[in-house]
Amino acid sequence: QSALTQPPSVSGAPGQRVTISCTGSSSNIGAGFDVHWYQQLPGKAPKLLMYANTNRPSGVSDRFSGSKSGISASLAITGLQAEDEADYYCQSYDTSLSAHVFGSGTKVTVL
Amino acid sequence: QVQLVQSGAEVKKPGSSVKVSCKASGGTFSSYTFGWVRQAPGQGLEWMGGIIPIFQKATYAQKFQVRVTITADASTTTAYMELSSLTSEDTAVYFCAIKSPADSWFDPWGQGTLVTVSS
Repeated sequence: QSALTQPPSVSGAPGQRVTISCTGSSSNIGAGFDVHWYQQLPGKAPKLLMYANTNRPSGVSDRFSGSKSGISASLAITGLQAEDEADYYCQSYDTSLSAHVFGSGTKVTVL
Repeated sequence: QVQLVQSGAEVKKPGSSVKVSCKASGGTFSSYTFGWVRQAPGQGLEWMGGIIPIFQKATYAQKFQVRVTITADASTTTAYMELSSLTSEDTAVYFCAIKSPADSWFDPWGQGTLVTVSS
């Protein structure tokens, strides 16, 4: 199983706000390692969506925001749009595994 | 603009090996890490390992330590991932991605290479 746990799916109507959680442990997020988020559209490569917990790369909509606290992090999407339908993954570093680790992934569905 | 281009899809027999390449262009990558990430059909992302070309030192996820060899040619800014003793469970899309020295995120990513293991 993944070192980082995400809900398998979240859904919302257009315009609504949804949040995706990413729960780790004291050897990754809780150890102070940053959390990053990727968006993966069907059949495509992952794309960096949020880096170092709260930072959006150039070109990423400000409808996306990130936060981190304790052993968890969250990605919020406000003003949900059809184009946001995708899989979302969190990523951090795990010191006990000496490895980069990804979350289990969350599928966002726009109703 | 940094771009990663991977080699094409492969079909392999069980027990054989596959070698996937990843060429970077549009930047200077001397101290960057080339990482490899696997995604089995319908599954999530799994970090396999990475290499810093100028140091020629690879690190591996424990799960892949025995069967994966990651190499790189700094002169051509190309990284390679070789997976041996293939089984049907290795059928997956393999992505390469770049991580800059001071950061811990991967950006950008290659387009992915589908490896199908079938008798």
